Amino acid sequence: QKEVEQDPGPLSVPEGAIVSLNCTYSNSAFQYFMWYRQYSRKGPELLMYTYSSGNKEDGRFTAQVDKSSKYISLFIRDSQPSDSATYLCAIEAGSYQLTFGKGTKLSVIP
Amino acid sequence: DGGITQSPKYLFRKEGQNVTLSCEQNLNHDAMYWYRQDPGQGLRLIYYSQIVNDFQKGDIAEGYSVSREKKESFPLTVTSAQKNPTAFYLCASSIVRQPQHFGDGTRLSIL
Repeated sequence: QKEVEQDPGPLSVPEGAIVSLNCTYSNSAFQYFMWYRQYSRKGPELLMYTYSSGNKEDGRFTAQVDKSSKYISLFIRDSQPSDSATYLCAIEAGSYQLTFGKGTKLSVIP
Repeated sequence: DGGITQSPKYLFRKEGQNVTLSCEQNLNHDAMYWYRQDPGQGLRLIYYSQIVNDFQKGDIAEGYSVSREKKESFPLTVTSAQKNPTAFYLCASSIVRQPQHFGDGTRLSIL
């Protein structure tokens, strides 16, 4: 079983929709949870970072962590065409190393 | 402007040739990392360094080498022993217990 599983998509939604992106993980030692956004031919940029169960909100983005279910989500409200990108979840087990999901490619259609 | 600079953006390697990818950061981060990204794959860790003059192998270190002589710089050499080097290479840096920040990558192809 892979350590981090991410719905691969691709996902296509109309502008203004609410988007839900998800990852599951198997290692209960994982402590820190991140979401990165990656545009084509660019490096990933950090969107959200949390280390506790519950919700963390930043503008149109909400990161949700459920440690009991080993499940993390990213919600995007009022999605825009500029949100079209690949979204990567990343999880750290308290060391320097991150384990990444394979990424979900999102397209927001005007 | 603080950030991570990777160069070149595109690189071509001939058979049997070693090539070196540059990564420089001015964020004063202690740790630096190299990842490889293939289409439809997540990022896979090649090497990482927590302090100057020290580095550790990641999950796919075979065919690669690194050095860390300065805090700001962490070059990656793709050797001729790496039989499938075509990929997008990403460099990142961080401080302890903080997320990693990435450069914009180098795309390596085989001639």
